[in-house]
Amino acid sequence: GAVVSQHPSRVICKSGTSVKIECRSLDFQATTMFWYRQFPKQSLMLMATSNEGSKATYEQGVEKDKFLINHASLTLSTLTVTSAHPEDSSFYICSARDPWEAGWNEQFFGPGTRLTVL
Amino acid sequence: AQTVTQSQPEMSVQEAETVTLSCTYDTSESDYYLFWYKQPPSRQMILVIRQEAYKQQNATENRFSVNFQKAAKSFSLKISDSQLGDAAMYFCAFRTGNQFYFGTGTSLTVIP
Repeated sequence: GAVVSQHPSRVICKSGTSVKIECRSLDFQATTMFWYRQFPKQSLMLMATSNEGSKATYEQGVEKDKFLINHASLTLSTLTVTSAHPEDSSFYICSARDPWEAGWNEQFFGPGTRLTVL
Repeated sequence: AQTVTQSQPEMSVQEAETVTLSCTYDTSESDYYLFWYKQPPSRQMILVIRQEAYKQQNATENRFSVNFQKAAKSFSLKISDSQLGDAAMYFCAFRTGNQFYFGTGTSLTVIP
């Protein structure tokens, strides 16, 4: 199956700094990538949908100026948490869809990034 | 609005036994897909099984099968011959268009 990687897997930063998380599709070109946030023992909350070459579509309640998403190539999307605060601490997961996968049924998930803001 | 409901926050099953995880969803769409994902302690989301809404036949993948009741908007997952490695968080998900919606999850414990 298709592989999606995320980097870094863990990051600790000081309050007020910015953190960039990378999501890569390793063996396919992903025109669409998704960014999720997951709090402990809770479900995945979709933050935004990232389309290659265009602006991301953010879900209601997600601050686009705080969570900057760039999808500059067919294999890379980045999420930058700007001026991070402790309440931004969470597990961030990206996923990607393979446009050549039959039926467009599935999304492939990255392993996630745990962000801790001190 | 699309919603996915998992009414069992926690379930347990004896090793080698069978367990069923429930999921209901609400949508006005006619074209959609349903999924069960597993999230073990590593937090990596793993696709367990999927079902196209237009197919009446229930999907099966080895020890995993679903009971898809379209009229009732129900999509339960049955795990047969449960193994210790099945212990994880299970999420029911629904896709329509480019959007995925996830349930709140069921934590499955497998008792040796």
